[in-house]
Amino acid sequence: GEDVEQSLFLSVREGDSSVINCTYTDSSSTYLYWYKQEPGAGLQLLTYIFSNMDMKQDQRLTVLLNKKDKHLSLRIADTQTGDSAIYFCAETPGGSYIPTFGRGTSLIVHP
Amino acid sequence: EAQVTQNPRYLITVTGKKLTVTCSQNMNHEYMSWYRQDPGLGLRQIYYSMNVEVTDKGDVPEGYKVSRKEKRNFPLILESPSPNQTSLYFCASSLGASYTDTQYFGPGTRLTVL
Repeated sequence: GEDVEQSLFLSVREGDSSVINCTYTDSSSTYLYWYKQEPGAGLQLLTYIFSNMDMKQDQRLTVLLNKKDKHLSLRIADTQTGDSAIYFCAETPGGSYIPTFGRGTSLIVHP
Repeated sequence: EAQVTQNPRYLITVTGKKLTVTCSQNMNHEYMSWYRQDPGLGLRQIYYSMNVEVTDKGDVPEGYKVSRKEKRNFPLILESPSPNQTSLYFCASSLGASYTDTQYFGPGTRLTVL
């Protein structure tokens, strides 16, 4: 079945860039998403990318998609303490309404 | 304010005692769904609904029921809860089921079944 893998933890210094990586197995994935979950809150959609795109930039966020390697990354420039959260990668296989989420990457930003 | 609300936010119950977790959205969204979040497993979809009176199973529907009698409400029913249903539950809604429709998540319900 479909599988989405992420590393569990990432620690960065405030002001540095963060790169959170995700790999997926379903080659029919149509859209890929990044969600942010702050402590005690639900998930918030950060950005998404269509599978025919290589890159998408939105302010401090840059999403890179390597469809050949089935690799998705989220880069956060100038990481701030408010960026500390769990980041989930998700994908929707072609023709399906059931998204598959990764296990989430805990981003810890320290001074 | 546009939002998805869930009640209760926290619930401790015992095995076998039926319970309902309510979910309501005020955005006139057609698509609603329930997820459970477990440590190390990410989110898994339980049920989803494309519109009123239309519901379908997600990845992990066993032990759960849902109903969609009105567009705004999508309650999650556990007829006979068991300890393996101890989890953090999220309701979500979106305008439609298109891949570009942003899902809005509720704040979560933390359920403990003893």
